[in-house]
Amino acid sequence: QSLLTQPPSVSAAPGQKVTISCSGSSSNIGNNIVSWYQHVPGTAPKLLIYDDDQRPSGIPDRFSGSKSGTSATLAITGLQTGDEADYYCGTWDSTLSVAVFGGGTKVAVL
Amino acid sequence: EEHLVESGGVVVQPGGSLRLSCAASGFNFDDSSLHWVRQPPGKGLEWVSLISWNGDFIYYAASVKGRFTISRDNSRNSLYLQMDNLRTEDTALYYCVKGGFYYMDVWGKGTTVTVSS
Repeated sequence: QSLLTQPPSVSAAPGQKVTISCSGSSSNIGNNIVSWYQHVPGTAPKLLIYDDDQRPSGIPDRFSGSKSGTSATLAITGLQTGDEADYYCGTWDSTLSVAVFGGGTKVAVL
Repeated sequence: EEHLVESGGVVVQPGGSLRLSCAASGFNFDDSSLHWVRQPPGKGLEWVSLISWNGDFIYYAASVKGRFTISRDNSRNSLYLQMDNLRTEDTALYYCVKGGFYYMDVWGKGTTVTVSS
């Protein structure tokens, strides 16, 4: 059971928007910075968002991150078939001194 | 280009030992913190361990503490994971990852560890 809770799956039609929630606590999200990763099975995971809402070079602005209190959200707009992947939130838990990932959310493009 | 390549994954019996290695290139290795992250078959990402740039600070997941040892050799641009007293639940694809407390920005392609009798 992960310390960070994500929905198992979300889906939408091409061109639409999906949001993925990541719920934690004051020990992790509430007092630390959140990152998001895209993982296409069979490939290496890719950093999508860091510092709650920053995109690394090369990540399109269709991907955005936000945080409020003990929850974070990843939004994907203009959904494309190439966005089908598993998405994970991550941060540090200051009480346990461990890095934590959410359980992952599978995005399906209908 | 920043690059991480893992090696050492094999099939091992429960209770056995194994050492994974990770070779880095394309970035200042001795300025970088590094992680091991694993993915068991059919499951999500699971963080394993973190080592600071100089090895002074080391952290482990509760599930591996006391059995796994992370280390690094900055003269060889290499990261290691010594895995002892292996259990079937340690079966996973193991990734070497560059990053600090809050994000992981470079991932290797992983090496597969299978613990089975």
